[in-house]
Amino acid sequence: DTEVTQTPKHLVMGMTNKKSLKCEQHMGHRAMYWYKQKAKKPPELMFVYSYEKLSINESVPSRFSPECPNSSLLNLHLHALQPEDSALYLCASSQDPYGLNEKLFFGSGTQLSVL
Amino acid sequence: DAKTTQPTSMDCAEGRAANLPCNHSTISGNEYVYWYRQIHSQGPQYIIHGLKNNETNEMASLIITEDRKSSTLILPHATLRDTAVYYCIVRPWDNYGQNFVFGPGTRLSVLP
Repeated sequence: DTEVTQTPKHLVMGMTNKKSLKCEQHMGHRAMYWYKQKAKKPPELMFVYSYEKLSINESVPSRFSPECPNSSLLNLHLHALQPEDSALYLCASSQDPYGLNEKLFFGSGTQLSVL
Repeated sequence: DAKTTQPTSMDCAEGRAANLPCNHSTISGNEYVYWYRQIHSQGPQYIIHGLKNNETNEMASLIITEDRKSSTLILPHATLRDTAVYYCIVRPWDNYGQNFVFGPGTRLSVLP
């Protein structure tokens, strides 16, 4: 199983809503990532979890709150988002957070629209 | 961090080899060169990576110059399904060791 599964595939939310994006992998990977991608732009790194601990936060606003309940699951909790937060949110995983020779495996993303 | 520069876009005829260049003149000795591609609205897909030797797998070949300042991704027989944005990434190794940073990439169009 080399899949990273993201749910939901599409999400529409209002600015006062609270919602969560979910990501799951069963490859035994110990690093998990959230990226944000606006249309026609490259993915931008948001957060990295290494061994279930937050190791990188790229100055992301607090309305985005990541959570890694265990080594297979990664959540992104959303609250009070703005329309400019509408984007494709990508989850990825890699085997060893500290390896030089690592590959990222991506999910297919959640397309988020904030109204 | 080592930066990469790639052409904004390229065209390739179906069945011909697609050669995608990448410059990374500030690369450090322990930094790997990675290639990913992204087909419209899907997650990026790993293609290949290397340190200094040329690499080949079932998808592509990676040619890295001897001074490591540039590389070329080769798709030997491009098909319409290879139309995508191709990202060349030089992965910096910092204290956390995992920072994959995507540049703008090259939009490859394979033409019938």
